[in-house]
Amino acid sequence: EVQLLDSGGGLVQPGGSLRLSCGAFGFTFSRTAMNWVRQAPGKGLEWVSSISYSGDTTYYADSVKGRFTISRDNSKNTLYLQMNSLSAEDTAVYYCAKDIPHGQWGQGTLVTVSS
Amino acid sequence: EIVMTQSPATLSVSPGERATLSCRASQSVSTNLAWYQQKPGQAPRLLIYDASTRATGFPARFSGSGSGTEFTLTINSLQSEDFAVYHCQHYNNWPRGTFGQGTKVEIK
Repeated sequence: EVQLLDSGGGLVQPGGSLRLSCGAFGFTFSRTAMNWVRQAPGKGLEWVSSISYSGDTTYYADSVKGRFTISRDNSKNTLYLQMNSLSAEDTAVYYCAKDIPHGQWGQGTLVTVSS
Repeated sequence: EIVMTQSPATLSVSPGERATLSCRASQSVSTNLAWYQQKPGQAPRLLIYDASTRATGFPARFSGSGSGTEFTLTINSLQSEDFAVYHCQHYNNWPRGTFGQGTKVEIK
């Protein structure tokens, strides 16, 4: 069974950092492009970042470029999102998602940026 | 950046009736368009891809159509489990898959 498990969210102060993780199960992770998508409270979905299957190529939304870094460890079947210089506008549920279109999503992890 | 606009924001429908949701792209995305269903407290779930192909697990009362800039999601004979938020997303220039703002289908 294909499964994605998001973790690492929490409460962080403005200007702080957080690293999200996404464990992948049930498919060949090392051959699959991966993505992060977020959803602010009561709002729609926003694409955040993507990474090629090898990790060689990364992409970012303008809203997070220069602050967030996507990476992956294919030996551990795990996707990461390092988030720095966080602000209140980054408060959201963060989902990892497989492929595009996103045929599988993690359950989401809540990131709250507040003092 | 391609902007996706969904309408209406909220659609009130009685069980058993048909719901028609619209998604418009600011420029052509061919048929590189997906629809997702999201229920409260849950992650989105892929419903339609390539504009008209139904994903595994969804019944035939769900159908998608359109190409270029105009797309429609139709839900025939709405069931109680269909009341949810529906998001469209283009993937014409991977990986920048812009989403629409969503349409909430609620019980009338």
